[in-house]
Amino acid sequence: QSALTQPASVSGSLGQSITISCTGTSSDVGFYDYVSWYQQHPGKAPKLMIFDVTNRPSGVSNRFSGSKSGSTASLTISGLQAEDEADYYCNSYTGSDTLYVFGTGTKLTVL
Amino acid sequence: EVQLAESGGGLVQPGGSRRLSCAASEFILSSYAMNWVRQAPGKGLEWVSVVSASGVGVYYADSVRGRFIVSRDSSRNTLYLEMNSLRDEDTAIYYCARRGSGRGFDLWGQGTPVIVST
Repeated sequence: QSALTQPASVSGSLGQSITISCTGTSSDVGFYDYVSWYQQHPGKAPKLMIFDVTNRPSGVSNRFSGSKSGSTASLTISGLQAEDEADYYCNSYTGSDTLYVFGTGTKLTVL
Repeated sequence: EVQLAESGGGLVQPGGSRRLSCAASEFILSSYAMNWVRQAPGKGLEWVSVVSASGVGVYYADSVRGRFIVSRDSSRNTLYLEMNSLRDEDTAIYYCARRGSGRGFDLWGQGTPVIVST
């Protein structure tokens, strides 16, 4: 089971919007609506931002949204804030013996 | 406070064994599917293993299958990861994570570091 593919880095200015892509296959992202997204600041544990493609946990800002088209999922952050600067990882359920797979990770820089 | 706390990490020689623990507070661990996720130094997240809420479903990443064993003790409200035949590439911070109502991991511990080295 190969890692999902994410861009290594993205950047955006304060107040702008950015989108991070997460490309899998027809066996994982393309088959199941079970993509989640995590934010990780340096030295900290990951934090769930989106689950089941589009759902936001309680307490997560509505500036974060998720979507999916075919085998590619996306995380969009609108109204960028300085505290959004972090690493972001996608994750998908696979239904195989390796039940979950993470993406390669994307470093977001807020300019 | 609802939380997870890992322990048991440390320095281990290649080929050695180590058992990690993940203690749950303020919720019943056996009511949830519980995962182990690791992160090698400077690298991304890697899913390692899961035990289902029923305890029947147990799954592993290809990289650890046959060497690692996940289990839980309901009386102690604790999740375990028994790691055997450790390799240099198992060096990482190991996190336990709870699967929430969807298929997202909604609660994470602070992580415990495992270093495999001579």
